[in-house]
Amino acid sequence: DSGVTQTPKHLITATGQRVTLRCSPRSGDLSVYWYQQSLDQGLQFLIQYYNGEERAKGNILERFSAQQFPDLHSELNLSSLELGDSALYFCASSAFGELFFGEGSRLTVL
Amino acid sequence: KNEVEQSPQNLTAQEGEFITINCSYSVGISALHWLQQHPGGGIVSLFMLSSGKKKHGRLIATINIQEKHSSLHITASHPRDSAVYICAVSPPSNTGNQFYFGTGTSLTVIP
Repeated sequence: DSGVTQTPKHLITATGQRVTLRCSPRSGDLSVYWYQQSLDQGLQFLIQYYNGEERAKGNILERFSAQQFPDLHSELNLSSLELGDSALYFCASSAFGELFFGEGSRLTVL
Repeated sequence: KNEVEQSPQNLTAQEGEFITINCSYSVGISALHWLQQHPGGGIVSLFMLSSGKKKHGRLIATINIQEKHSSLHITASHPRDSAVYICAVSPPSNTGNQFYFGTGTSLTVIP
């Protein structure tokens, strides 16, 4: 158990819909990263937050947004969903350079 | 060009074989990470190293900073080692906090 919690584990929705993925980092970790992993693809960096502030942005679509709340949990919002958004979405937290991943949220868009 | 390259992309081995997965990177780093992803998705950190060699059970990770190369070795491989192994690097802290990932090596160990 990495200590990083992601919900939901599985999500099936339709094109055009909006979903929110939630991540609770390990206790005390200030950094949260979001990654997308499509079928047979590597981890694609989406966005990083540090103590509530956006720290770095990767290849995140304009339809996607994220935030980190004062209690350090983070949410990734995906809107106007398309079939190609079907993927595993991972959250990770970091301390002293080490990464700890959640179990991932598997999103299926039909 | 990716900042992190892994080889091979796919690897099939017989149970008991010695396995090596290679990782090369092109950026300055503060540390290199080896991650394991089992079918079903979860990602586990195996090693974080910035120099030399680390060993955990049947797994050994080495890094050569001058050559910008790392290897992950599995001794006496077992079917439960079947997974995707991902190499990742973290750049020096003063250049940002983004991690760079290889595309992974898919290992299948046959009984």
